[in-house]
Amino acid sequence: QSVLTQPPSVSAAPGQKVTISCSGSSSNIGNYYVSWYQQLPGTAPKLLIYDNNKRPSGIPDRFSGSKSGTSATLGITGLQTGDEADYYCGTWDSSLSAYVFGAGTKVTVL
Amino acid sequence: QVQLVQSGGEVKKPGASVKVSCKVSGYTLPELSIHWVRQAPGKGLQWMGGFDPEEGETIYAQKFQGRVTMTEDTSSDTAYMELSSLRSEDTAVYYCAATTAMLRGSWFDPWGQGSLVTVS
Repeated sequence: QSVLTQPPSVSAAPGQKVTISCSGSSSNIGNYYVSWYQQLPGTAPKLLIYDNNKRPSGIPDRFSGSKSGTSATLGITGLQTGDEADYYCGTWDSSLSAYVFGAGTKVTVL
Repeated sequence: QVQLVQSGGEVKKPGASVKVSCKVSGYTLPELSIHWVRQAPGKGLQWMGGFDPEEGETIYAQKFQGRVTMTEDTSSDTAYMELSSLRSEDTAVYYCAATTAMLRGSWFDPWGQGSLVTVS
């Protein structure tokens, strides 16, 4: 049971937008930066967003991140079939003294 | 740019130990903090521990304390993760991941390709 809560799945048609929520508490999201990772089937995770809303070089601006209070959100616009993957949020948790990940959200392109 | 290349998969018996390596290229080990994350089949990501540059030491998730040891060989820019007293629940893909950020504001980029450890 993760301390970060994500929806198990989201779906949308190609070209549409999806948002993935990541809900935590003051011991994690409320006081620390959030990062987001994309894991395509059979591959290692890849950093999509760091420091709540920054994109590493090479990540298209279709991916965006935001944070408000104890929740964070990943947005994907112009959905493509290649975006079908599992997405994880992650941050530090001061109560657990551990880096924690959400349970992951599977994105399906209809 | 940083690349992490991990050792191959291993099959171990319950009670044994496994040591996974992670070779760094493009940077030197002292320039990075290496962390280890595992993923059981069909499950999510679980942080095991990593180097905390603010404390100057490696910290471990409580779940693994006493069973895991993370070390580095700066002469070969290779990091290692050794897990002992293996049980079937330790069957997972083990990833190393790098960061230049402080642990408490951290992100991981890049990741190694993963090493499958099967306990059977």
